[in-house]
Amino acid sequence: EPEVTQTPSHQVTQMGQEVILRCVPISNHLYFYWYRQILGQKVEFLVSFYNNEISEKSEIFDDQFSVERPDGSNFTLKIRSTKLEDSAMYFCASRGTSGGPKFFGPGTRLTVL
Amino acid sequence: QKEVEQNSGPLSVPEGAIASLNCTYSDRGSQSFFWYRQYSGKSPELIMFIYSNGDKEDGRFTAQLNKASQYVSLLIRDSQPSDSATYLCAVSISGGSNYKLTFGKGTLLTVNP
Repeated sequence: EPEVTQTPSHQVTQMGQEVILRCVPISNHLYFYWYRQILGQKVEFLVSFYNNEISEKSEIFDDQFSVERPDGSNFTLKIRSTKLEDSAMYFCASRGTSGGPKFFGPGTRLTVL
Repeated sequence: QKEVEQNSGPLSVPEGAIASLNCTYSDRGSQSFFWYRQYSGKSPELIMFIYSNGDKEDGRFTAQLNKASQYVSLLIRDSQPSDSATYLCAVSISGGSNYKLTFGKGTLLTVNP
């Protein structure tokens, strides 16, 4: 069964460093998303991406964040200068059709020291 | 502010019983409703989705939607210890092609052998 994959599974970084989280969505999906979940809290929407551009972003997704689809398979989330409060699980998700269900990747646990 | 509310639990049921999980949402324009299961430290796993008023059954799971009451529920029949997890209600807010999900905090379900 097709699945969303994410790398790395765990990333530890120093405050102020740049990190890139990688995702490979399900191959025939067109809509891509990043969500995050701070430990013990709700899953929160960060950004949606369709047709090679951001279609919506939350207030969390400030200038320190960017997304890119550098080739036909990968979808990345970059945090330029990490802060302690960026420590969270970051989930990539994709879906095939408008309004259809989303499938989540296994997540990247980001720890900012 | 668009909210999705769930009883955080924990909800404890004996093995073989019916577990009933409830969710209310504030945005009347919501169109799509999803139930995800999340094991500790793992990503959300899609269980069911429902778009129309009424019941939708899939194996041991039944999703119920009442748009007039802004209420969606998940019934798990013949509960098994492996069903022990946090159940996340997610609502897709209407508009555009983004269909970002707004999640509730989740209900922790414990099925006792």
